[in-house]
Amino acid sequence: GDSVTQTEGLVTLTEGLPVMLNCTYQTIYSNPFLFWYVQHLNESPRLLLKSFTDNKRTEHQGFHATLHKSSSSFHLQKSSAQLSDSALYYCALSPASSGSWQLIFGSGTQLTVMP
Amino acid sequence: NAGVIQTPRHKVTGKGQEATLWCEPISGHSAVFWYRQTIVQGLEFLTYFRNQAPIDDSGMPKERFSAQMPNQSHSTLKIQSTQPQDSAVYLCASSRLGGRGAETLYFGSGTRLTVL
Repeated sequence: GDSVTQTEGLVTLTEGLPVMLNCTYQTIYSNPFLFWYVQHLNESPRLLLKSFTDNKRTEHQGFHATLHKSSSSFHLQKSSAQLSDSALYYCALSPASSGSWQLIFGSGTQLTVMP
Repeated sequence: NAGVIQTPRHKVTGKGQEATLWCEPISGHSAVFWYRQTIVQGLEFLTYFRNQAPIDDSGMPKERFSAQMPNQSHSTLKIQSTQPQDSAVYLCASSRLGGRGAETLYFGSGTRLTVL
């Protein structure tokens, strides 16, 4: 079935260093939509960025990700981490099949940025 | 725009009791989703409605969980005979679903259910 894998459960780094959170997915459908949602402490998840175009970089609020269908990946990156980036990050997949449009979430990566 | 509204924010039940959770989607949104969030499992899909019709309930534990959307302004998730393992934050989300699969989900603040 469709699935999303986030290999790091917890990432801790120092302010100013680059961020890379891994996301790979599995689906039989050829045109999936990929999303990153961010959840700050005591808040609900909100969309950070999304893409469905192969090999096109998508950017928002200093973060960027590129959907690579060849490797089924959609890694999240930022050049310089800020303290306010500390949050739980979810990668999500919408297979965009003709049936259910549910969003399938990965297990999440807790990012902690230290001063 | 008040966003997705979920009530109550917190609910405590005894084992075996019933719990009903409420969700009011954003006005004009045609789809409503229910997710359950725990530290161990993350965000688990439960069920969703489109134009009030149930579309996919593949994530619902069949025996004790049920969901309804009697009108376009609210949806309910009912858990009968609650068990301690049902303790979680239950999140409701809505989306326009005008396009296929690319829609943003807007989440409510969630209902934290604690089963003693």
